[in-house]
Amino acid sequence: GNSVTQMEGPVTLSEEAFLTINCTYTATGYPSLFWYVQYPGEGLQLLLKATKADDKGSNKGFEATYRKETTSFHLEKGSVQVSDSAVYFCALRNNAGNMLTFGGGTRLMVKP
Amino acid sequence: DTGVSQDPRHKITKRGQNVTFRCDPISEHNRLYWYRQTLGQGPEFLTYFQNEAQLEKSRLLSDRFSAERPKGSFSTLEIQRTEQGDSAMYLCASSGGPDTQYFGPGTRLTVL
Repeated sequence: GNSVTQMEGPVTLSEEAFLTINCTYTATGYPSLFWYVQYPGEGLQLLLKATKADDKGSNKGFEATYRKETTSFHLEKGSVQVSDSAVYFCALRNNAGNMLTFGGGTRLMVKP
Repeated sequence: DTGVSQDPRHKITKRGQNVTFRCDPISEHNRLYWYRQTLGQGPEFLTYFQNEAQLEKSRLLSDRFSAERPKGSFSTLEIQRTEQGDSAMYLCASSGGPDTQYFGPGTRLTVL
């Protein structure tokens, strides 16, 4: 079956630090990959996505590259801000299905 | 575009009572999804509609749970004879195609 594994949090960084949140997946075929973000008190928002191998998704300074050889989709940002504090979820959608399979989430805390 | 809306935002009920939640998707979206999220975990898929047809159901959706989308627009999720283990955030999402799902703010259910 499909599964997504994320690094456990919380991840605590100082403002302007470099961020990496690891995500690896198990799926049949060629899934689409997503990062969603959940700010405190708000719903899930799509951050970025990639639909095929070697695609790079990017948004708001965040990037993730679909690596089929390592079955990974790590999230990176060069310089985090306090406003980036949130929970980040990696997810996949198998092309044969409609449901999203999520990882457990990684809480990011950015201190001024 | 008003986004996905859910009602109520919070529901507190006593064990054994029935509850019903409503989801209004983005107006032009024909696909609608329900997920459940427990504290500290990623969302888990419950069920999926395309127009009024319920096409997928998770094994998590016990016989106490029923979902409908009678006219292919809004959807309801009913839980009968609630149990404490049903306490969770119930998320609704919609999409216009197979790829990006847009989430509502969720309904937080507390079963006492």
